[in-house]
Amino acid sequence: GENVEQHPSTLSVQEGDSAVIKCTYSDSASNYFPWYKQELGKGSQLIIDIRSNVGEKKDQRIAVTLNKTAKHFSLHITETQPEDSAVYFCAAQGDMRFGAGTRLTVKP
Amino acid sequence: DAGVIQSPRHEVTEMGQEVTLRCKPISGHDYLFWYRQTMMRGLELLIYFNNNVPIDDSGMPEDRFSAKMPNASFSTLKIQPSEPRDSAVYFCASSLEKRGNQPQHFGDGTRLSIL
Repeated sequence: GENVEQHPSTLSVQEGDSAVIKCTYSDSASNYFPWYKQELGKGSQLIIDIRSNVGEKKDQRIAVTLNKTAKHFSLHITETQPEDSAVYFCAAQGDMRFGAGTRLTVKP
Repeated sequence: DAGVIQSPRHEVTEMGQEVTLRCKPISGHDYLFWYRQTMMRGLELLIYFNNNVPIDDSGMPEDRFSAKMPNASFSTLKIQPSEPRDSAVYFCASSLEKRGNQPQHFGDGTRLSIL
């Protein structure tokens, strides 16, 4: 089955700095990689996704990169704001497996 | 669209009692998923349905857990009898079309506490 490893488990940055979260997966057949944001007391919400036919995708301050050869993908958040504070999950959704999550704290 | 709706939002009950969690997926979504989230184990897939049919229940921890989807707009997850180690947040999610290639839309979860 699919294993998804996510690092780091916690990340604290100063407002305005960048944050990077990395995930690796094991199943080379995976072709869809979403990132979810979970705020306190809420369900996870999709913030960006990438499919295996592209290497990078950007949406304003959020970007995702994918390296299929190395089987890893990363979330990049630039110019972080306090409202970015949340738990972020990656997934290699071929088998509905999620990473363990990264708790991001953005200090004002 | 109202999104995925789960009820109740919080449930506190004594061990041994039956617990029923409810989910209404987004209209038109063919896939419905039940997850359990704990600090120790993260987000675990329990079971998922396609067109109301259970496809994979290998994540259901024990026979005490059961899930049904009697129609396209409603699903239940039951625990009978409940135990303190079942305490967790349970999420329902739904998605369009083929699994694995579409984002999932999550409900806000049910926080379950078994005393």
